[in-house]
Amino acid sequence: DQQVKQNSPSLSVQEGRISILNCDYTNSMFDYFLWYKKYPAEGPTFLISISSIKDKNEDGRFTVFLNKSAKHLSLHIVPSQPGDSAVYFCAASAPGNTPLVFGKGTRLSVIA
Amino acid sequence: DSGVTQTPKHLITATGQRVTLRCSPRSGDLSVYWYQQSLDQGLQFLIQYYNGEERAKGNILERFSAQQFPDLHSELNLSSLELGDSALYFCASSVMGQTYEQYFGPGTRLTVT
Repeated sequence: DQQVKQNSPSLSVQEGRISILNCDYTNSMFDYFLWYKKYPAEGPTFLISISSIKDKNEDGRFTVFLNKSAKHLSLHIVPSQPGDSAVYFCAASAPGNTPLVFGKGTRLSVIA
Repeated sequence: DSGVTQTPKHLITATGQRVTLRCSPRSGDLSVYWYQQSLDQGLQFLIQYYNGEERAKGNILERFSAQQFPDLHSELNLSSLELGDSALYFCASSVMGQTYEQYFGPGTRLTVT
């Protein structure tokens, strides 16, 4: 049973436009959420995170929104750049030393 | 470069064999995590070590085992390999025992033939 779901396996966006990547979760105990970015032949790299006490966190072109009632979070990239083309993983963690639970990822392609 | 190193990068072996994957965490990080990524799957957590002690266990098969040594490097041992064990194996590290903001190595691609 997948606790973290990324229902869109792929997304294609034009350069300069907004990219919106979505993630849903089922475990109401999750209180910390992260996005990782992965290029081919490399390990995932941490991108941005949000605690459940917030509903928005911004870092440059990247903003993560959290809707706890809907158990949904999204990552917005504005403006999208070709270098953003990668696989994006959503991950979640519950309190205590519980492991990160990852979604299956969304492959973003930014077209010049 | 995350500072986490993994060796080897690629490994091809036959069914029934045993392999060892190695991970060196970032300098100063005490926690090491192992993940498996199979085709079209997300990252599946296998096991975590913190300062030499096993801290958390995920869906790790009994044929798999791991350890963390006094110098904090870690090894993941996979035995009686099956075709389905073919996957990317990632190691990650973090400063403390918390799981937030882990730093990943480049992975080891294991192919079992």
